[in-house]
Amino acid sequence: GDSVTQMEGPVTLSEEAFLTINCTYTATGYPSLFWYVQYPGEGLQLLLKATKADDKGSNKGFEATYRKETTSFHLEKGSVQVSDSAVYFCALSPANFGNEKLTFGTGTRLTIIP
Amino acid sequence: ETGVTQSPTHLIKTRGQQVTLRCSSQSGHNTVSWYQQALGQGPQFIFQYYREEENGRGNFPPRFSGLQFPNYSSELNVNALELDDSALYLCASSLHQGRAGELFFGEGSRLTVL
Repeated sequence: GDSVTQMEGPVTLSEEAFLTINCTYTATGYPSLFWYVQYPGEGLQLLLKATKADDKGSNKGFEATYRKETTSFHLEKGSVQVSDSAVYFCALSPANFGNEKLTFGTGTRLTIIP
Repeated sequence: ETGVTQSPTHLIKTRGQQVTLRCSSQSGHNTVSWYQQALGQGPQFIFQYYREEENGRGNFPPRFSGLQFPNYSSELNVNALELDDSALYLCASSLHQGRAGELFFGEGSRLTVL
């Protein structure tokens, strides 16, 4: 079945550091890929997405590129801020299902220290 | 615009009891999905409702059931509670066949089974 493997956490970085959170997936066909974020005390919210190979999703300075050859969707940000502290989830939506069924990774807790 | 709201936010039950969790969709959304998030894990898809009918189900036993009402709100019912049912239950609303993977999540109902 479909699965998502995320970089183990927690991750602690200093403000303005470069961030990479690795994500790889296993799926049949051509899934859509997502990064969701959960800020403290809030519900999960969509950060960015890519729906086909070589697409780049971006939002709030974060980027991720859909790499079918390596089945990866790594999240990057050039300069993190304290406000980026949150739990980040990589997820996929299978090609043969509606857009509501998501398979999530286990999440990576990111803490940014000033 | 009203977001997704869930109730109750926390509850404690004992093994063998039954529980009902409630969810109000974001305004304009017609599809509701439910997810279970165990501690330290990513959310797992339970099922989805559209037009008041179950429209997809994950790997959960029949004692997990749901309802969707004409106003698109929803309930998740779990019978014969087991200790492993302790988790955060997330409701997400979306537009059927809308933008892929764009779910709007509530903050969840945290269930503890003793």
